[in-house]
Amino acid sequence: QQQVKQSPQSLIVQKGGISIINCAYENTAFDYFPWYQQFPGKGPALLIAIRPDVSEKKEGRFTISFNKSAKQFSLHIMDSQPGDSATYFCAASISGANSKLTFGKGITLSVRP
Amino acid sequence: NAGVMQNPRHLVRRRGQEARLRCSPVKGHSHVYWYRQLPEEGLKFMVYLQKENIIDESGMPKERFSAEFPKEGPSILRIQQVVRGDSAAYFCASSPRPGGLKGEGPYFGPGTRLTVL
Repeated sequence: QQQVKQSPQSLIVQKGGISIINCAYENTAFDYFPWYQQFPGKGPALLIAIRPDVSEKKEGRFTISFNKSAKQFSLHIMDSQPGDSATYFCAASISGANSKLTFGKGITLSVRP
Repeated sequence: NAGVMQNPRHLVRRRGQEARLRCSPVKGHSHVYWYRQLPEEGLKFMVYLQKENIIDESGMPKERFSAEFPKEGPSILRIQQVVRGDSAAYFCASSPRPGGLKGEGPYFGPGTRLTVL
C-alpha cells in the first residue's frame, strides 16, 4: 500500500513554462508535507514545505498548494529553467516524537531550452 | 557551515562481506535518520536515532542490519553478510528536533552508493 502517490511519472516542460507536480496521500494523520529536489548522484535537497493550516505557500518560483479535503498537494514551479531539471519527491510525516518521512516514488522533470 | 556528511561516497563489497556506512549530522543536530533508495524508487525509511538511542527501527530489516549513533562520533549503519539485494543508495538525514518546518530539516547527506558484487 503506497501511502504517498505522485503524478505524473515524468514531465517535460519548455523553458519559461509552469511545471506542476501532484501528490496524494492516504493517512489523515500526516501534518507536514515537504518537497525535495534531487540531482543525479546527489542527496535530496529540501525545497519547500507546508503544514495543513495553510492552503498555499510560496517561496520564490516555487509554490505548494494544499487541499486538505482532497488529501492532495502540489508543487508549482513558475518560469521553469533547464537548471530545474531533476527528480522531485513529495513526502509526508506526522509531527512528534518520530517524524519519519514517507516519500512518493519521485518524478523526473525535464525543462527544454 | 558543513551539512550532513557521509562516507564513503561509493562502496563496493562482495557477497558475504560487511558494509559500514558513516554519517556526520549537521553540527548541533541530535536527530539522525537513515533512508534507502533503490534504483527508480523513492526513499524508504530505515531507522531513526537520537544520541545513543534507537527511537524507531521499524523500516530496518531484522537481520544483518544495525545502526548506532554514539555519544561521540558519527552515526554508523552496518550491514553484515551483504547480498546483491542490498545494492542501493543509503542516505542519512539530520534535524535539530523531530518534526519540521522548513529551516528544521531534515537535511540529507550526499549518500553512500553501495554495490554488492
